[in-house]
Amino acid sequence: DAGVTQSPTHLIKTRGQQVTLRCSPKSGHDTVSWYQQALGQGPQFIFQYYEEEERQRGNFPDRFSGHQFPNYSSELNVNALLLGDSALYLCASSRRQTNQPQHFGDGTRLSIL
Amino acid sequence: DQQVKQNSPSLSVQEGRISILNCDYTNSMFDYFLWYKKYPAEGPTFLISISSIKDKNEDGRFTVFLNKSAKHLSLHIVPSQPGDSAVYFCAASERPNNNDMRFGAGTRLTVKP
Repeated sequence: DAGVTQSPTHLIKTRGQQVTLRCSPKSGHDTVSWYQQALGQGPQFIFQYYEEEERQRGNFPDRFSGHQFPNYSSELNVNALLLGDSALYLCASSRRQTNQPQHFGDGTRLSIL
Repeated sequence: DQQVKQNSPSLSVQEGRISILNCDYTNSMFDYFLWYKKYPAEGPTFLISISSIKDKNEDGRFTVFLNKSAKHLSLHIVPSQPGDSAVYFCAASERPNNNDMRFGAGTRLTVKP
C-alpha cells in the first residue's frame, strides 16, 4: 500500500520561471492538501483540493495554483518564481468523510537561484 | 500570524528520561490538536492527537496533555529512546477533518544514549 508520493524530489529554478510539482495521494484518500515549509519554520497551508475543486486556501498569492485529477492526484503550480519561494513543498492526503489525520509525502525541495 | 507557537527550538534529554515538548496557541476556535514527528528527508508522520473535549490522550510511550484555559498543550515521551530524535511539530485546527492545520515551527529533540 503506497503512501503519498511526490515528484520530483529536488528542483532548481531561476527567478521568473514557472514550476509544477506532483503528488499522488495514499490509496483510498480523496483529498489533497499542499503545504510550504520554509527553512526553520513549520508547514504553512497553501490550499486543499477535493472533487477536483479548490476547497480551502491559505494566505498565498494567485501565483500559486493547483489542480486535482479524476484519479485524485494533484499538481501545484507556481508562476513567476521569487527567491522567497525556495522551500520544501509538502503534499498531504486524507479521506474526506473521516476524522483520520493527514498523511504526508516526503516533499519536493525547490531552490530558486 | 503565529497562531501556534513552539518556543523551544531544541531539546536534549538522556535516554530513558522523560521528554516534554510544549506548544501554545492563540486561536480559541482551535478544537483539535496533533503532534507530528519529522525525520530528515522525510515528510511529517502523525504521532498522536487530542480533541478539546479531553485533557489527556495516551498512546504507548506518548502522552499529550491539553490545558484549554491556558491554550497550552504538551507532549510527554517516556522513556525517551535515541530513535525518538527528530523534529516534533505541534498542529491545530478547528475541526478534525479540517485540512487547514496551523503548525508550530517545531522542536528538535535529541535523545542521547
